[in-house]
Amino acid sequence: QKEVEQNSGPLSVPEGAIASLNCTYSDRGSQSFFWYRQYSGKSPELIMFIYSNGDKEDGRFTAQLNKASQYVSLLIRDSQPSDSATYLCAVTPPGGYQKVTFGIGTKLQVIP
Amino acid sequence: DVKVTQSSRYLVKRTGEKVFLECVQDMDHENMFWYRQDPGLGLRLIYFSYDVKMKEKGDIPEGYSVSREKKERFSLILESASTNQTSMYLCASSPPGLATGANVLTFGAGSRLTVL
Repeated sequence: QKEVEQNSGPLSVPEGAIASLNCTYSDRGSQSFFWYRQYSGKSPELIMFIYSNGDKEDGRFTAQLNKASQYVSLLIRDSQPSDSATYLCAVTPPGGYQKVTFGIGTKLQVIP
Repeated sequence: DVKVTQSSRYLVKRTGEKVFLECVQDMDHENMFWYRQDPGLGLRLIYFSYDVKMKEKGDIPEGYSVSREKKERFSLILESASTNQTSMYLCASSPPGLATGANVLTFGAGSRLTVL
């Protein structure tokens, strides 16, 4: 079982819709959870991180964490064509606070 | 603007050559990382360093070594390049400590290595 699992997509949503990106992780003791965005040919950049159960909102982005279900998601409201990118879920394991493990990423396509 | 700079954007090397990939950060970060990124496999950690002269193996260290002689510089070395090391290599750094968000990575632009 992979440590961090994501559906590779592509996930296609119409402009203005809500995009929902999902991620599951295997280690129940994982501490911090990150969403990175990576445009084609570019390096990943942080969107947001979350470490407590519940929701965390930043503009059009909401991260949701459910530690009991070992599930973290990213919602993008009012999706724009400029949101088309690959979204990487990342997790830090218990005790290994320097080591960040990534999922394979979900490719999002926002259709104008 | 803070930066992680990778010395080479594109490299083409031959099988058996020794390859150096250099990374420099100007954020005074303690932690530095080398990942490789391959289609369908995502980002995989090769090595990381949490201090000068300190290093830890990541998930796929075989065929690689690293050097960190100065805080700002972290080098990845392929002692004898092979075709299966053709990949995009990404360097990253992060702040120290256990504070929330300390694991936030800042990436360099990447070095695309082709081994013929």
